[in-house]
This record gives sequence, C-alpha cells and structure tokens, in this order.
Amino acid sequence: SSELTQPPSVSVSPGQTASITCSGDSLANQYSYWYQHKPGQAPLLVIYKDSERPSGIPERISGSSSGTTVTLTISGVQTEDEADYYCQSADSIGSYVIFGGGSRLTVL
Amino acid sequence: QVQLQQWGAGLLKPSETLSLTCNVYGGSFSGGYWSWIRQPPGKGLQWIGEVSPDGNTDYYPSLKNRVTISVDTSKNQFSLKLSSLTAADTAVYYCARGLDWIGVLQWGQGTLVTVSS
Repeated sequence: SSELTQPPSVSVSPGQTASITCSGDSLANQYSYWYQHKPGQAPLLVIYKDSERPSGIPERISGSSSGTTVTLTISGVQTEDEADYYCQSADSIGSYVIFGGGSRLTVL
Repeated sequence: QVQLQQWGAGLLKPSETLSLTCNVYGGSFSGGYWSWIRQPPGKGLQWIGEVSPDGNTDYYPSLKNRVTISVDTSKNQFSLKLSSLTAADTAVYYCARGLDWIGVLQWGQGTLVTVSS
C-alpha cells in the first residue's frame, strides 16, 4: 500500500525557518496537501496542490515539491505555529487518500 | 458560510456498528466531495472514505469491507456506518467537506467514539 513518511518532530527557535518533509512514491504523480492541527481543534488546510495557499494563510507558509518528496516551509516561525502538521496525498493510481504520520513542530 | 455539524453515539461495544451523521448548513450540498476521517488517540489522521459529486464512493482499502458512506441530499446530510467494531476503531471521527477529491477544506467538530465492553 502507498505510504507517506514524515519526521516525527521538528524543533526551531522563534523567528527561524522550519522545514517539514514528506516522502512517498505516489508524490511523483499526485498532489500534496498540508494541514496544521492544534489540540482540541479541527485540522486547518494550509497548503493545497503542492504549493497553493488557501485564503487567510500567511505568505510565510509555503509548500514545494521535488520528485517523491514535498516540503512544508514556515518562515519566521512564531509560537502560534506550534502544532502537528500532516501531509496528505493519494495512492499512485488515485483510488484512495493517504495521510503522513504527522510531524510535531516545537517552537523552542 | 458552510458549517458542518455531526452527531452520533459516542460509546459502543465490540462487534456493534458505528453510525454518525453530518449535516451541512449554509451552502450547497450538491456537487461536493464529502468525506469521513478519523484520529485514534495519540495517533495520526486516517482517511476512511468519501462520496463524490456523482454519488460514487471510495473507501480506504483496509476498511472497505466494513464501511458505508451514504448521502441524503433532501436533508443536506451524509452518514457513516462502520460495522464489526473493535477497540482499534476508538477514535475521534470527523466529517469533512472536500476542496477536491483529496484535500479537505472544512471539518466538522469531531466526535469521540469509544469502543469498549
């Protein structure tokens, strides 16, 4: 079955840049999506179709894609960015949706 | 402004069937992607399945034999049934409105479903 692999945790200091990667074979031909998930809240879509930002998402949050790896980049990290981040895509033939295991971003 | 409100039983016994319903308020129900996603305690998000604008359903392979997602357009609602429950099905279940067939634009408030004897 298709899988997406993320690092379990990423730590940065306020004001620095955080990069969270997501790897999987299906990313070579399927779009990626990213969600921010804070405790007690529903997840929030922050990137869709690899690099597009929904309205209301700040420009300091960006996404990129290269082959079978996609990256979520948060510039000028703020304490409010501390959350779990999940990548999402589909299997290679586009028959079901998959999530990465999630990465906890800690702002030191 | 579209809002999703979900409801259903929160405590079930092993072998029982989970039944959740999600009402869509404030927007068009037709023509959208509507899905169910869950998160077991301490674990990540898991896609369960969805119904597409043409009424077709797709399910996650390991759940396919136990899941049914249905829609009632007259009531602007869609539902999830998951049968033969085990403790591994304990999770927060979310209904969701799709941006497209993969991405989720909006989520319900979530329902904690606990499977325990």
